[in-house]
Formats: sequence, C-alpha cells, structure tokens
Amino acid sequence: KQEVTQIPAALSVPEGENLVLNCSFTDSAIYNLQWFRQDPGKGLTSLLLIQSSQREQTSGRLNASLDKSSGRSTLYIAASQPGDSATYLCAVLIYMNRDDKIIFGKGTRLHILP
Amino acid sequence: GAVVSQHPSRVICKSGTSVKIECRSLDFQATTMFWYRQFPKQSLMLMATSNEGSKATYEQGVEKDKFLINHASLTLSTLTVTSAHPEDSSFYICSARDRTDRTPLGTYEQYFGPGTRLTVT
Repeated sequence: KQEVTQIPAALSVPEGENLVLNCSFTDSAIYNLQWFRQDPGKGLTSLLLIQSSQREQTSGRLNASLDKSSGRSTLYIAASQPGDSATYLCAVLIYMNRDDKIIFGKGTRLHILP
Repeated sequence: GAVVSQHPSRVICKSGTSVKIECRSLDFQATTMFWYRQFPKQSLMLMATSNEGSKATYEQGVEKDKFLINHASLTLSTLTVTSAHPEDSSFYICSARDRTDRTPLGTYEQYFGPGTRLTVT
C-alpha cells in the first residue's frame, strides 16, 4: 500500500531563508509526483509536477527533485517570503484497480516570519 | 487554464438532512472526476472516482449509500451527503481530469476545485 510521508509536519523560518521540505513514498511505482500549496480553508494550487522519468522541475523560486528509486522528493524554496506561508502537500499518482489515483501526504505547514 | 468550481463553498445543515455539492469543469471536458475529503490538519483522502455516464467507484470504507455521486455530464459531478451527521463535517474537494488529454498516464494533471466546507449541527 502506497504511503506518503512529509517531514517536518510544521516549520517556521525567518523571511529570506532558503528551505527544504521533504517527502517520501513507500512504493516507487509512481507515474508522477506533484507538490501543491494549500492556504487555510482553501483548495489546492499545483506548484510543480514531476513525471516519473524526470528528476526535477523548477518554477521561479521553487525547485522540486525526485529520486524515484529511493522514494524521495524535496521541494526547495529560495529566498522565502511571508506570502509563502501555507501548507505544502506532496502527492504521488499511482495506478490501481484499473484507475489512476493520487495519494497525498499530510503536508508541511510552513510559516515564514516577517 | 483549466478551472474547476465547486458550489456551495460553505454549507451548514442540520443532522439528518441531505446536502448536495456540485463540481464543475468550466473550460474543459472531464470524463473523470474525483471526490476527496479532508479533516482538519489531515491529508486529502480519496473517497470515490466518478466516470461520466457510469457508476462511481468508491474507496474502501466509504459508504456508497451515504455519499451519492452522480456524473451525468462531461462538466458536472455532484456529491450528495445523505442523512448527514456531525462526523460528516469536513472539507470536501473535487478534482477533474481533462478528457482531451490523451498523453500517457502521469503526464497530465488533475485540476482541483476550491473545496466545500460542510458543517453538520
């Protein structure tokens, strides 16, 4: 059974710092991995999608890496800003019972201190 | 870009009543829509997969008679919570997959709605 774990569960850092969020998954048979942002009481915003054949994706100050064989992904946020405060969710796409499914981690609650 | 809407965004209902939540894909056709539930500080849990024109596939532990899903068109899926109880209070999020995207599995995205906060009193 695929399980997605995110460490740490919560993180507070001063503005301007670079930071890394970690995600691990138990079964390497994934089709892609996505990082999402969720603001309190809101839906999901897709940040980066890494296909299983790729090793990283970049968008602005965000860089996500994927090591499928070891079941790990990291989200790197450069020069953090207070507006980056949110919960960041890692999710993997698997294929099971003739359907594709997204399995989510519990997220990392990030607070950037002004 | 692909947009998914949900209605209502918030709903409060009394225990024992039924509530319907709508999920619409606004600018694309979605053969498949997914319904998730999220409890406070918890992850999104897939409840069911809804394919247009066919019965929904429910995840283990989700009561199909309690959570009725209808996907009658390529742009609309509904989730009805029947005989709601306080423990059904949660954040319900839908997502939709673009029908026209025929690229290999894993190279397309699911687009998520903004969620519906259900409170049962």
